This record gives sequence, structure tokens and C-alpha cells, in this order.
Amino acid sequence: QSALTQPPSASGSPGQSVTISCTGTSSDVGGYNYVSWYQQHPGKAPKLMIYEVSKRPSGVPDRFSGSKSGNTASLTVSGLQAEDEADYYCCSYAGSNRVFGGGTKLTVL
Amino acid sequence: EVQLVESGGGLVQPGGSLRLSCAASGFTFSSYWMHWVRQAPGKGLVWVSRINSDGSSTSYADSVKGRFTISRDNAKNTLYLQMNSLRAEDTAVYYCTSSTSWGQGTLVTVSS
Repeated sequence: QSALTQPPSASGSPGQSVTISCTGTSSDVGGYNYVSWYQQHPGKAPKLMIYEVSKRPSGVPDRFSGSKSGNTASLTVSGLQAEDEADYYCCSYAGSNRVFGGGTKLTVL
Repeated sequence: EVQLVESGGGLVQPGGSLRLSCAASGFTFSSYWMHWVRQAPGKGLVWVSRINSDGSSTSYADSVKGRFTISRDNAKNTLYLQMNSLRAEDTAVYYCTSSTSWGQGTLVTVSS
């Protein structure tokens, strides 16, 4: 049950786009179309941003999009805004279990 | 409005036990698989355990297998996590989640 691999940090200026990767194996990310992305602001509970690789819950801006290729999933945030600065975590099915990535701190410059 | 409210956290000595509860409202609790996820201070999210909608199937992370037990009472709309043989490394905020919605978390501190 090894954690999925995410870059520790990412950054971009307001209005720019940034992509965060999430690399697993054929036993998790590559084996299922069940990758989710969560946003977490300091001291707050995580918030679901993307589910089933690319679906957006109601209320999540369409600036957030998800995709997957092989064992790597990606979250793209377009038109960066100050409020997007947060930690982002990917999560994948892994058989009966779930596995999270280590998290990526997104900084809006 | 969907609400998940955890309770039961606190300070416990190594080797001790604690039972967390998560009260659900605003959605059909009995239809959802539920999970516990923890976050050690300053660290990332770690999946702990899940239970299916009727409680007949459970799964655990290797780090807690044999020590933690997840359960639910659909009549009371409540999820539980019984934690035994606690270790210092179990210190974390514990969240209950339906994957879509999350509680605010409850802090468990294991220390002598």
C-alpha cells in the first residue's frame, strides 16, 4: 500500500494554468477509473474537486479538470486564482482499499 | 445539508484504546460506503479503513490491521472506529468521509 507519487510543490501566477501529476501503478491508478482529487486549505477538511478521473461535483468551478493516462492521473487548474492556493491530494481505488498521494502544495505567486 | 460530525478523540496513553464516532445527517447514510482517513500533524492524508453500505464488508490499511475495527449503525446514522493498542504514530486528526463529504475531524493524541 505505497502512497501515490505527487510533486511536493507547484506554483503559478494568477490567470496561468498549472498541472499536478499523480503516479501510481497498474494496481491502483492504472487499474481503475476511480481517481479523485481533494483540495485542503490550512486547518480545514478536504474538499472533493474531481471524482472518477474527470468528473466535477456540483459547485466546483470548471477551471478544475482531471485526466488520466496509464498509471498517471493529472489535475489541471486553469485561470489560477488566489483562493486556489492550497494542498491537493489525489486518491485512487486500490482493490478493496484506497490510497492517497503525498500531497502537492499549490502556491499562487 | 450533508453533515458528518466526528467525536471521541482525545489524549490516550500508548497501548490504550479509543472509540471514534461519526454522526451523519442530510443524506441516505445507509446507501453509502464510508471511510476513515487520518492526517498526522503537518503531514498528508492517509486512508485508514472503509466499510460497505450494510456493514458486511470491511477493509483496513496494513498499519492498523488487527488493531482497529470499523463498524456502523445504519439505524443511528453513525459510523465508528474502535482503536486498540494505540501507538504514538497513530497520533492524527481522524476524518470520516463518504468520499464526497468530509467531517471536520477529531484529534487523537497518543502520548504518555
